[in-house]
Amino acid sequence: GAVVSQHPSWVICKSGTSVKIECRSLDFQATTMFWYRQFPKQSLMLMATSNEGSKATYEQGVEKDKFLINHASLTLSTLTVTSAHPEDSSFYICSAGLEAEQYFGPGTRLTVT
Amino acid sequence: QKEVEQDPGPLSVPEGAIVSLNCTYSNSAFQYFMWYRQYSRKGPELLMYTYSSGNKEDGRFTAQVDKSSKYISLFIRDSQPSDSATYLCAMSGTSGSRLTFGEGTQLTVNP
Repeated sequence: GAVVSQHPSWVICKSGTSVKIECRSLDFQATTMFWYRQFPKQSLMLMATSNEGSKATYEQGVEKDKFLINHASLTLSTLTVTSAHPEDSSFYICSAGLEAEQYFGPGTRLTVT
Repeated sequence: QKEVEQDPGPLSVPEGAIVSLNCTYSNSAFQYFMWYRQYSRKGPELLMYTYSSGNKEDGRFTAQVDKSSKYISLFIRDSQPSDSATYLCAMSGTSGSRLTFGEGTQLTVNP
């Protein structure tokens, strides 16, 4: 099956620093990748849609200057949380599209202290 | 009103039971339907994908889509404790576009 990886799986950073999360499709090329945020016991909240070679499309209410997304190739997208604050602590999950299906990464748990 | 409605449960069943999970939706443009399983602190895992109406079976799992009623189901036969997870329905209108998720149903299968 299609495999998506994320790195790191968890990260702790200090308030005010930036953190980069990588999302890779390992065995297929993904024209579109998606970034989600998930709070405990809640469903996934779409943050942005990322297409290779073009600017990401952000959902309403998501600060594009704070959550920088780069889709450098058909197998790699990155999410950078800039000037992180404790309220940015969350579970971040990416997914990669393969035709109509979406395959999710294992997620990255971010804790900002 | 949410575009996709899913009973959050929790749902608790004995091992070996048949589990029925359901979602209703309001957007008639949805054509692609998926079921995901998510274990705690993990990313969702795609279980079943169905295009338009009909049934699809894969091992112990059966997915049904009734577009006329805007209703989709996932059946799990011979449920196992390892099936204990949150099950999310998801759907989209066009191939490769954003998914709209249900709230997720928390399932516990008791040995």
